[in-house]
Amino acid sequence: KAGVTQTPRYLIKTRGQQVTLSCSPISGHRSVSWYQQTPGQGLQFLFEYFSETQRNKGNFPGRFSGRQFSNSRSEMNVSTLELGDSALYLCASSLSLRSSNEQYFGPGTRLTVT
Amino acid sequence: QQQVKQSPQSLIVQKGGISIINCAYENTAFDYFPWYQQFPGKGPALLIAIRPDVSEKKEGRFTISFNKSAKQFSLHIMDSQPGDSATYFCAASLIGNEKLTFGTGTRLTIIP
Repeated sequence: KAGVTQTPRYLIKTRGQQVTLSCSPISGHRSVSWYQQTPGQGLQFLFEYFSETQRNKGNFPGRFSGRQFSNSRSEMNVSTLELGDSALYLCASSLSLRSSNEQYFGPGTRLTVT
Repeated sequence: QQQVKQSPQSLIVQKGGISIINCAYENTAFDYFPWYQQFPGKGPALLIAIRPDVSEKKEGRFTISFNKSAKQFSLHIMDSQPGDSATYFCAASLIGNEKLTFGTGTRLTIIP
């Protein structure tokens, strides 16, 4: 099975711009979660989507948003970019079974805001 | 109550030795505890995970020890190899809730 794929892998944006990142989960996985990874704050949960609905949300401002499509692919959007948004954005997918939380991460999108 | 504390921040172990990384959690409702391994430029990879109904789980050279009363769990890497050099993250969540709360990471270096 192919793993979680994320596009693009690298992105450079200017402060004030907006950006859209894409994630394709493992085939058959219906849950997609997004995380932000920075050296200072570590890995922080952004939000989770299941069946096109946001099921869980972390403590990030409203500039961070996401959506999920009927084929489980997901996108996240960051508007009005700030320098502090520079980070590795990771997507993880899971089967979302009641008995298991196994989540598998993609390689991430490295976002640099200048 | 959502914190997961991880130690040490960095660890150097000789090849063939045992690497031990520790984590402590606060939220007693957590019931799923995975460990992830991350190499530079890659996403975290699921290594091994445990539920609180068992005190130990072993997969190959990797073992999780779990102490429910102390709210602590640890990763043991036996016969550590240079290829194990990576950053390791512990995490915790509630079963049925995909939100993972991560520890701060341990950079492990295995020296010959």
